[in-house]
Parts: sequence; C-alpha cells; structure tokens
Amino acid sequence: RKEVEQDPGPFNVPEGATVAFNCTYSNSASQSFFWYRQDCRKEPKLLMSVYSSGNEDGRFTAQLNRASQYISLLIRDSKLSDSATYLCVVNTPDTGFQKLVFGTGTRLLVSP
Amino acid sequence: DADVTQTPRNRITKTGKRIMLECSQTKGHDRMYWYRQDPGLGLRLIYYSFDVKDINKGEISDGYSVSRQAQAKFSLSLESAIPNQTALYFCATSDPGTSGGAFYEQFFGPGTRLTVL
Repeated sequence: RKEVEQDPGPFNVPEGATVAFNCTYSNSASQSFFWYRQDCRKEPKLLMSVYSSGNEDGRFTAQLNRASQYISLLIRDSKLSDSATYLCVVNTPDTGFQKLVFGTGTRLLVSP
Repeated sequence: DADVTQTPRNRITKTGKRIMLECSQTKGHDRMYWYRQDPGLGLRLIYYSFDVKDINKGEISDGYSVSRQAQAKFSLSLESAIPNQTALYFCATSDPGTSGGAFYEQFFGPGTRLTVL
C-alpha cells in the first residue's frame, strides 16, 4: 500500500463548479499535512497546510480526518487558473527525521 | 530573483557519463533536499542535508551522491548515468521554524529535466 494515495484524475469541471479531492495516508504517526499545487513542468508550491480543526483560505477549504486517515481539499467557484495538479503531502516520522511523503497528485482541468 | 535556483535546467546526456546538478539558495535555510519526480510515482527523496556536516540518504539514493559545499549550495551527482535516471529533479529547502520541525514548508527550485540516452 502506498503511504499517500490520491485519485490521479483528471477531474474535468466547468468554471464556477465546486470540486473536491480526497487523499488517504497509511502511517497513523503522521503529524502534518499539506496540499501543494504543481503546474505543468513547474515546481510544487505550498497551497495550504491542513489542520485538525480544518482550515479555509478564500475558495479553498482543507480538512483532516485522523480517525479515517484522510485529507480533503475543496475548491469552490473554480477558475481557469486553478487548472493544475494538486499534491497531497504528509509529514511522517522516519528514523528521527520528519520526512515529507508526496502523493502522485490529482489533476484538475477547469474549462470555460 | 528566485530564492532556490538549479542548474542546468535541461540536460541530455549519454549512458555512463558523470553528471552534476547544482542547487543554490538565498533563503538562509539549513535544510536542503534532492528529489526526483517520475510520472505516476510522485516525488521521491534522494538525499537530504540538515547542515553542511550532515548528509543523509533518502529512499532512492543508489546511483547518486551529493555534496554540501556550503549552507547555500547542495549538489547532486550521477557518477555513471543510466537511462532509468531520466527524470525531473528538484532541489528544495526548509526551515524547521519554531515548532520543533513538525510543521514546515519546503521551497522548491524550478527543476532540472535530465534525459539519459
């Protein structure tokens, strides 16, 4: 089983739609959770951290369910510029080092 | 100017050649990382360094070596390149912050696209 699993998509949605991505992680000792955004052939960039209480940043809402070991990202009122790959990232202890484990990403395509 | 830079941005080489990828950062971070990204596999950690004297293997270090020349510079070498090392390589940096390192963001360079023929 992969440490972090995501549906690769693509998710094709029209502008203005609401879309949600889920991600599951296998290590119950994981402590920190993130969503990164990666545009085609570019570097990943932090979109938002995910806190236990859930958090919102404009049109983006992230939630964490520790009991079920999944993380979600909700994007409201999708824009063309939201088209990208969204990487679920989990910070997991490993021999004294908190390593980041990256999911393979979920691709989002927003169309006019 | 970018905070994390990588050179070269693109490189095509032949099997058996020695290749060095370089990374420089102006963020003042102690921690630096090398990842490779392959389609369908996500980013995988090759090596990481917490300071100039601390270098550690990641999950896929075989066939690679690194050098931390200074706080700001971290180089990745392929001693004898092979075709399955064709990938997109990213350097990243981080700062443990004030919460003991549990919550921190990694900042990535623009990547080096390496093709080994």
